[in-house]
Amino acid sequence: GQQVMQIPQYQHVQEGEDFTTYCNSSTTLSNIQWYKQRPGGHPVFLIQLVKSGEVKKQKRLTFQFGEAKKNSSLHITATQTTDVGTYFCRRTSYDKVIFGPGTSLSVIP
Amino acid sequence: NAGVMQNPRHLVRRRGQEARLRCSPMKGHSHVYWYRQLPEEGLKFMVYLQKENIIDESGMPKERFSAEFPKEGPSILRIQQVVRGDSAAYFCASSPGQLNEQFFGPGTRLTVL
Repeated sequence: GQQVMQIPQYQHVQEGEDFTTYCNSSTTLSNIQWYKQRPGGHPVFLIQLVKSGEVKKQKRLTFQFGEAKKNSSLHITATQTTDVGTYFCRRTSYDKVIFGPGTSLSVIP
Repeated sequence: NAGVMQNPRHLVRRRGQEARLRCSPMKGHSHVYWYRQLPEEGLKFMVYLQKENIIDESGMPKERFSAEFPKEGPSILRIQQVVRGDSAAYFCASSPGQLNEQFFGPGTRLTVL
C-alpha cells in the first residue's frame, strides 16, 4: 500500500565514519520529508524533497530523492556524537499520515 | 511564534482513571496530529484532526480513546479507564497544511501505575 520502509533499523558506527539510511516505497511519492529525534526528545523536521533526482545538503548531511521518486536516502559524512538519534522519513499525503519506522543511529566515540 | 505546546509534560495515572492530554498548535496551524511512542520504538500515528473535524483516526484504538480539536482551545486526547499498556510518550504535531512539515510538541509522558 502506501507504507514506507526504512533500512537499516539500527546502525552503530565509529565516530568519523559515514552513515546512510534509506527510505523505500512501492508506490511513487509526491514528496518526502526527513525528521530527526534525539534520545528523550521530540522529532524535528530536517528537510523536504520534491523533485525527481533532487539532492539537498545541510552541512554534513546529504539528502537524495530517487529518479523514480520511490526512494530517498540520508547520508551523513564523518559522523559525530551529536548525530545520535532516530531518523524518520515521512511520505506526504492529503489524507494519510505515513512515517517510516525510523533508523536508529548510535555513534561510538 | 511559540512552538507546539503540550501539557502536562508528565502524567501519572492509576489503572482505571482517565488521562487528558492537551495540545496547543502553533499559531496559524489548523492541522493537528497525535502520535504514540513506546520506548525504543517508532512513532505510531493515532489521529489527524483539522479544526473540529477528524480527518483520519485509523491509528486510534476504537475503545477508550477519543480526540477533539474544538473551534476554540487546545486539542485534547482523552484516554478513559487507562491500563498499564497505555504507558507511553504521546506527541502532538501541527502544520498549516497536509503537505507541510509537521512541528512537534515536547510530548506528554504517561505512566500508568
